[in-house]
Amino acid sequence: EPEVTQTPSHQVTQMGQEVILRCVPISNHLYFYWYRQILGQKVEFLVSFYNNEISEKSEIFDDQFSVERPDGSNFTLKIRSTKLEDSAMYFCASSEGRGVGEKLFFGSGTQLSVL
Amino acid sequence: ELKVEQNPLFLSMQEGKNYTIYCNYSTTSDRLYWYRQDPGKSLESLFVLLSNGAVKQEGRLMASLDTKARLSTLHITAAVHDLSATYFCAVVPISAGNQFYFGTGTSLTVIP
Repeated sequence: EPEVTQTPSHQVTQMGQEVILRCVPISNHLYFYWYRQILGQKVEFLVSFYNNEISEKSEIFDDQFSVERPDGSNFTLKIRSTKLEDSAMYFCASSEGRGVGEKLFFGSGTQLSVL
Repeated sequence: ELKVEQNPLFLSMQEGKNYTIYCNYSTTSDRLYWYRQDPGKSLESLFVLLSNGAVKQEGRLMASLDTKARLSTLHITAAVHDLSATYFCAVVPISAGNQFYFGTGTSLTVIP
């Protein structure tokens, strides 16, 4: 069964450093998303991406964050200057469309720890 | 502020028992999702509910949706240990494109 893959599974970084989280969405999917989950809390929407541009973004997704689809398969989330509060599990997701009933398929996540 | 609230937050139940998890939301929505998350793992889609009165069942889990009450339920029948996980509901407001708003999660532990 096709799946969303994310790398790395764990990332440890120093505060102020840049990190890039990588995702390979399901191949025939057109919509891509990043969500995050701070330990013990709910899953929060960050951004959605379609046709090489951001469709929607939340208040969390400030100027420190950016997304890119550098080639036909990868979808990346960059955090320019990490803060302690960026420590979370980051989930990439993709969907075939965005109509009613479309399911989001989630990757296994990247656990980001900012020290 | 949009709210998606689940209760209970924590649920410990014995094998063989029945229980219901509730998901209340504060927005107009035409779809509600239930996801399961095992510790350290990703979110697995369980159900998609698209209309008022929708009911879906898979194994020991049954989900329903009442859009007028803005309430969804996830009913567990004759629980088994394998159902131990955290369960999230998620709604998509009509005005929010495809932005999922997740509930607080219900951590279910089934005790033998």
